[in-house]
Amino acid sequence: DAKTTQPNSMESNEEEPVHLPCNHSTISGTDYIHWYRQLPSQGPEYVIHGLTSNVNNRMASLAIAEDRKSSTLILHRATLRDAAVYYCILRDLNAGGTSYGKLTFGQGTILTVHP
Amino acid sequence: DGGITQSPKYLFRKEGQNVTLSCEQNLNHDAMYWYRQDPGQGLRLIYYSQIVNDFQKGDIAEGYSVSREKKESFPLTVTSAQKNPTAFYLCASSIDPGTPGNTIYFGEGSWLTVV
Repeated sequence: DAKTTQPNSMESNEEEPVHLPCNHSTISGTDYIHWYRQLPSQGPEYVIHGLTSNVNNRMASLAIAEDRKSSTLILHRATLRDAAVYYCILRDLNAGGTSYGKLTFGQGTILTVHP
Repeated sequence: DGGITQSPKYLFRKEGQNVTLSCEQNLNHDAMYWYRQDPGQGLRLIYYSQIVNDFQKGDIAEGYSVSREKKESFPLTVTSAQKNPTAFYLCASSIDPGTPGNTIYFGEGSWLTVV
């Protein structure tokens, strides 16, 4: 499975933009890039996903490099409720074998938001 | 409201006991998953099920068992063979596991502690 690399932690101030990077240099052409976040003692929550083009939704934006070897999750105005662990995950189109639909989670980036 | 319900939230197990964690979803999703999370770590896949009466081992299936008799239910049994079961357990589901653009939804998790 293609792997992702994220910084262990990042800090931001409230109301400022946050750019969370993710490297996935071994990404294949059929891998979707997903982002989830997890608050303490809760299940992960879907944030956004994309394949090649940049994506926007009400929670965040996803900027994908042209060669797809890296991506950046953008929180436009961080709030205290955005403090969480953010996971960048590749989800394989390949429907066979043990990769069927599963998500492979790394350790993620711990985002701290200061008031 | 639609969602995934895990119970119990907190469970204590004595050495040598089997315990079962419940997971129910009313999202009409085909696929269901069980993940384990240790403190400060990412999620690891235990078992997954694509359809009723079918399930596959994930990365750390030893010491665990599952059943999928109904579409909406995917209980996980932690057996006495699991030597280090203390962890946070997460159940998840998705509409179509073969479509990587689909979102995976998570329950709130269950804390299991061996006493």
